[in-house]
Amino acid sequence: EAGVAQSPRYKIIEKRQSVAFWCNPISGHATLYWYQQILGQGPKLLIQFQNNGVVDDSQLPKDRFSAERLKGVDSTLKIQPAKLEDSAVYLCASRQETGTGGSEQYFGPGTRLTVT
Amino acid sequence: AQKVTQAQTEISVVEKEDVTLDCVYETRDTTYYLFWYKQPPSGELVFLIRRNSFDEQNEISGRYSWNFQKSTSSFNFTITASQVVDSAVYFCALSEAQAGKSTFGDGTTLTVKP
Repeated sequence: EAGVAQSPRYKIIEKRQSVAFWCNPISGHATLYWYQQILGQGPKLLIQFQNNGVVDDSQLPKDRFSAERLKGVDSTLKIQPAKLEDSAVYLCASRQETGTGGSEQYFGPGTRLTVT
Repeated sequence: AQKVTQAQTEISVVEKEDVTLDCVYETRDTTYYLFWYKQPPSGELVFLIRRNSFDEQNEISGRYSWNFQKSTSSFNFTITASQVVDSAVYFCALSEAQAGKSTFGDGTTLTVKP
């Protein structure tokens, strides 16, 4: 079974530029998460999708971050314009929907973003 | 609001020692799920164990065991006979019962020396 795929793996941009990350979850996983992990901290939830609907985006900085999950499969996360404090690893995870929050999440390898 | 606290930032042990990682959580929900994940140097988080809030029976799985105490809101994780390959960052996570929204602690870095 293929795991969660993310691209690119690394990205370096200058502040005020735009960047987009892509995630392909495990086939059949209805729930998809985007997390921001700053060095030395745990993953912080940015947005959670179930199929192509948003379940929670309360911690997404909506003035600069956007995300979509068209057709309930792949997802993209965009930052426009980037700030220095956006330097972090962006993790995508997916979970098989069981009707509860009890199933584990499967994580991709992450995209390491450096904003200079 | 949910909160997960991992007070131990770093732990260093010698191979074959037992090590316990602490996790304390806060939630107003009566039903929830707790998880431990491992993040090796390669970076990809891997699921280790899960416990639901209505089952306080502690379990052992191979070298892993966990102690869930609802009364103290703690979910501690023990590795028995640690190995060098256990060196990683370990995260405790709390998940809502319905939507599965998850909150992670800031992790404990475990170093196992040969």
